[in-house]
Amino acid sequence: AQSVTQLGSHVSVSEGALVLLRCNYSSSVPPYLFWYVQYPNQGLQLLLKYTSAATLVKGINGFEAEFKKSETSFHLTKPSAHMSDAAEYFCAVSGGSQGNLIFGKGTKLSVKP
Amino acid sequence: DGGITQSPKYLFRKEGQNVTLSCEQNLNHDAMYWYRQDPGQGLRLIYYSQIVNDFQKGDIAEGYSVSREKKESFPLTVTSAQKNPTAFYLCASSTTSGATYEQYFGPGTRLTVT
Repeated sequence: AQSVTQLGSHVSVSEGALVLLRCNYSSSVPPYLFWYVQYPNQGLQLLLKYTSAATLVKGINGFEAEFKKSETSFHLTKPSAHMSDAAEYFCAVSGGSQGNLIFGKGTKLSVKP
Repeated sequence: DGGITQSPKYLFRKEGQNVTLSCEQNLNHDAMYWYRQDPGQGLRLIYYSQIVNDFQKGDIAEGYSVSREKKESFPLTVTSAQKNPTAFYLCASSTTSGATYEQYFGPGTRLTVT
């Protein structure tokens, strides 16, 4: 069965520092992978998705993620954190019943001035 | 603008009362989903529907009910049987063609039961 593990429920970085949010997945078939962002008391917004094209995927707000099959990872990065990046980030993998997405438990990103 | 609307944004109910959360989409998506979100637990799937007049239980369906009479609408009823209903509820939709499984989310409803 497919599953998603996000390492670190909380990550704190300084403004201008590198952001790295980790996501590992297990899947018996080639997966589709997603990163979503959630600001407080709002819904989830799609940041980027991997659908078996280029392994390096660029998303909105300067984020990108690299699909590494050998490591079963899809880590999210941003070269320079901004205060507005403070939010909760969810990694998801396709492959639930009838094509449902399976979500990780989320990583809350804090950005210090 | 196409999107998903959920109403109301905040909902307060007394224990023992049923309450219905609204979800409407104008994206022409076939599939719709309801998730429950609690701090530190991520998103948990309550119910989903791939087509009108058909729906399936997700991982935590007990104490909830849904209907799918129209493609655009997928209301969720939180019944008095749900032991801990206070949570943030998210509705989502997706196309069933193209097979990318990308889901679009509404803004959520925060339900507080006292």
